[in-house]
Parts: sequence; C-alpha cells; structure tokens
Amino acid sequence: NAGVTQTPKFQVLKTGQSMTLQCAQDMNHEYMSWYRQDPGMGLRLIHYSVGAGITDQGEVPNGYNVSRSTTEDFPLRLLSAAPSQTSVYFCASSSLTSGRETQYFGPGTRLLVL
Amino acid sequence: AQKITQTQPGMFVQEKEAVTLDCTYDTSDQSYGLFWYKQPSSGEMIFLIYQGSYDEQNATEGRYSLNFQKARKSANLVISASQLGDSAMYFCAMREGTGTYKYIFGTGTRLKVLA
Repeated sequence: NAGVTQTPKFQVLKTGQSMTLQCAQDMNHEYMSWYRQDPGMGLRLIHYSVGAGITDQGEVPNGYNVSRSTTEDFPLRLLSAAPSQTSVYFCASSSLTSGRETQYFGPGTRLLVL
Repeated sequence: AQKITQTQPGMFVQEKEAVTLDCTYDTSDQSYGLFWYKQPSSGEMIFLIYQGSYDEQNATEGRYSLNFQKARKSANLVISASQLGDSAMYFCAMREGTGTYKYIFGTGTRLKVLA
C-alpha cells in the first residue's frame, strides 16, 4: 500500500513550457485534490475531483488543468508555465469511514519556473 | 466567505508541557469538517485529527485533542506532553459543506519545543 504518490519530486521549467505533475493513490478514494503551497502560506486548493470523470475548480485554478479518467490517477497539467507558478505542489486523497474523515497527502513536487 | 484564521505565527513550549494552538473558522454551512495537520521541516503533510461539525465530543488522537467550541467557531489543537519531535508547522483546515470537498487552510503556526 503506497498511499499517495507524486512524480516528479523536483522540476525546473522555463517560462512558457508545459508539463504534467503525476499523482496516484491506491486506497480507492473517490476524492482527490491538488494544492499549492507558497512560502509563509498555507495550502491553496487548485482543483479537486469527487470521482472519475468529475472535476471542479478550487481557489486558484488559473493556468492549471486536471482530468480524472480513473479512480487512481489525478494528473495536474501546467499549460504554459509562469514564474508565479513556482511553488510546492501537493496531491491528496480523502476518505470518510465510520464518520471519520482523513486526507492523505503525497510527498509533494517542488517546481521552479525560470 | 469561508475562512480559517490562525493568529499565532510562532509558539514555544517546554518539553513535556501541554500547548494549545489556536484556530478560528468562519462558515455559514451547518455541516463541515475541521482538521489539523503537521508539517515537519522535511515538508510532508501529516494528518493529525478530525472533528465533524455534528460531533458532540471533542476528537482525540493519542496526545492530540481538538477543543471544539462550535458557538465560538473555534477548533484549537491541544498537544499534551510535548516532545522535541513535535517541532513543526501546524495547519488548521476546514472542509466546506457536504459533498463539496473544498478544503481551506489557515496560514499555520510554527511550534518549537524546547529541551
């Protein structure tokens, strides 16, 4: 049971480049989400999904796309990278079992846009 | 608008003592969830504790307890018997409503445990 995995761990992009951050979970959770964490700030929700084929925008969706073709995978695409997207990105999945809700996070991807 | 406020940017506590980290929230929803996470210097986010808005008893997970005061809209984290390994950033978060699964986070409190 690997939990939530993210790749890559670190990435450097040039302005205008595109890339996909990968996220996968093996816990059969319906809910998955992407966050960014900037220095001195908490996490801000980018996009989330409540199940395969269903996605919605969070607080800071501009410049990012997501899709959810399977329960396990929830990739985040940067369409045209900008320096303002330099951040640490976390993927998470959530479960609600016996009235107890838990959100599990991946290890994060550190992205630098030059 | 829903909001989470953590007013303590940093806290110190002596090893083996208890410490309370403050969190207030604002929501018009009747059903919501409150969470605390720990982020050590290594960067990972670790789930600590969850409190549902309809739960009448305060949540507890080992040395962590959540002091839930619904009327005051506060959800303070209490860490008992602090350990050096508790030194980290702590984030309070709220899941809005039922089925929306939108989580919002506070800006965090950095806790330093002193030997």
